[in-house]
Parts: sequence; structure tokens; C-alpha cells
Amino acid sequence: QQQVKQSPQSLIVQKGGISIINCAYENTAFDYFPWYQQFPGKGPALLIAIRPDVSEKKEGRFTISFNKSAKQFSLHIMDSQPGDSATYFCAAKPGTGANNLFFGTGTRLTVIP
Amino acid sequence: ETGVTQSPTHLIKTRGQQVTLRCSSQSGHNTVSWYQQALGQGPQFIFQYYREEENGRGNFPPRFSGLQFPNYSSELNVNALELDDSALYLCASSLAGTRPGELFFGEGSRLTVL
Repeated sequence: QQQVKQSPQSLIVQKGGISIINCAYENTAFDYFPWYQQFPGKGPALLIAIRPDVSEKKEGRFTISFNKSAKQFSLHIMDSQPGDSATYFCAAKPGTGANNLFFGTGTRLTVIP
Repeated sequence: ETGVTQSPTHLIKTRGQQVTLRCSSQSGHNTVSWYQQALGQGPQFIFQYYREEENGRGNFPPRFSGLQFPNYSSELNVNALELDDSALYLCASSLAGTRPGELFFGEGSRLTVL
């Protein structure tokens, strides 16, 4: 059973546009929600993360929106650039126990010039 | 500051064989975890080691085992390989007590089981 559901599977955005990736979860024990970016042939790299006590976090062109009551969170990439083309994974971590993350299935983003 | 390094980068095994994958953690990190990433999927947690002890395990059978050494390097061992074990195996290190959930991943070892 997929603990974190991610959509869309793939996304094509024009340069300068906004890319939006959505995730949903059921487990209320999750208390940390990171987004990872993965380029081909590389391991995932932490992009931005949020805790459920805030509704939004912004770092540069990247923003996480978090809706605790709906158990949903999303990544917005403003002014998308061709260099943003990568696979993006949302993830969630339980508040206790090991430092293990439950990942979504990924969104392959392509930004066309 | 050196990042997480993994070896080998690629390897091919046949069903029933055993494999050992290796990982050197990022300098100063005392926790290592291993993930399996099947093609087109997100990484799945296998287990985590802290102070040379396994302190968390995902839904993987006992034929997946690991070690963490005093220098915080780590091994993932898989016995009795099955075709479905073909995947990218990612090692991630972190520093316990700081920014939980912030993992630093290596580039992975791609295992193909024939």
C-alpha cells in the first residue's frame, strides 16, 4: 500500500511557467514532509521540507503548500527553468522511530524552452 | 567535506547468488540507511543503522541484511537473489539529532539479477 500518493506521473511545462506537483497521505503520525529532486544517474537530493505546523514554506522559486486537514501537500516551482527538468519525489516521515522516509512514486518534470 | 559514495556503481548477478554493496557515509554522519528504488518508482526504505545497530527496518525479508562499521561505513548484503531484486540501491547518511528526515544520498548501485 502506497503511504504517500503523488500526482501527476509526468509534467511538461513551458519555461517561465509554474510547475505544480501534488501529494496526499493518510498516516497522521507523519510529521515531516520533504521534497527530493533526482537527476538521471544521481541520487535524490533534498530540495525543501515542511512540518505540519505551518501552511507554507518558500525557498527561492520553490514553495511547499501544506493542508493538514486535507492531508495534502504540494510543490510549486515558480518561473520553471530547463535546469529544473528532473524527477521530483514527495516524502513523509513518521514522528517516532527510525529516520525512514516514505516516498511517493515520483513526477518527471520536463521544462521546455 | 566528502559526500556519500557507493560501490560498485553497476553489477550483474544471477538468481540465487549473493551480493554485497558498500557505502561510505558523508563525513561526520553517524546514521546510515538503505533504500531500494525500482525502475520508475520512489525509493523504499530497507533499514537503518545507528551506532552499528539496526534501529529500523522496512518491509523487506531477512535475506536483506546490513552492517555498519565504526567508521560509519556500511554494507548491504542480499542473499538468494531474486529477479525482483533488480533495482537501484541507494545509501543515505544523516546525523542523528539534526534535521530529522534530511538524508544525503549517494548515486546508488544498480543491481541487475538475471
